[in-house]
Amino acid sequence: GAVVSQHPSRVICKSGTSVKIECRSLDFQATTMFWYRQFPKQSLMLMATSNEGSKATYEQGVEKDKFLINHASLTLSTLTVTSAHPEDSSFYICSASAGPEAFFGQGTRLTVV
Amino acid sequence: QKEVEQNSGPLSVPEGAIASLNCTYSDRGSQSFFWYRQYSGKSPELIMSIYSNGDKEDGRFTAQLNKASQYVSLLIRDSQPSDSATYLCAVQYNNNDMRFGAGTRLTVKP
Repeated sequence: GAVVSQHPSRVICKSGTSVKIECRSLDFQATTMFWYRQFPKQSLMLMATSNEGSKATYEQGVEKDKFLINHASLTLSTLTVTSAHPEDSSFYICSASAGPEAFFGQGTRLTVV
Repeated sequence: QKEVEQNSGPLSVPEGAIASLNCTYSDRGSQSFFWYRQYSGKSPELIMSIYSNGDKEDGRFTAQLNKASQYVSLLIRDSQPSDSATYLCAVQYNNNDMRFGAGTRLTVKP
């Protein structure tokens, strides 16, 4: 399958700071990227869907101003968690799609202390 | 509301048996269907995709789709302990909308 790279894989930050997570499609151009959050032993929760060059579509209950998504090119999308708090600690995963199939990045485990 | 339903499990099968995982979806407009495997602490990995009614086989995996019943399943033959994971059913409505079930946790006992 296609390769999606997500960076960093782990990050620890202080409460109140911002964290940026990158998602890159390495061998294909991703027209759509998805951002998910997953708490321990729970299912994937879709946070937002983004298309290159346009604003992301956020799921109900996800704060747009807190989770900033930028999809500036067909191979790169970024998620910035602004003013992070301990309750934002979670596993954040991106996936990228150029057609029906979507491929996942490795995930980023965020811990806010 | 576009929903994807799976039994959360856990589903436990002995090594060498057939594991059967089921998924139902609510929207008849669904176009594409996928099974992902997720090991604990890792991100999901695509293992099967199916787009038309019937069976699709890939090695030990067989996906089955019945659009009339809005039902998709995954069979794993000759189950191995390494198959122990959470299996996620995903349903795509268009290129911008893919929904996941909660996942079924499978344990294959040696």
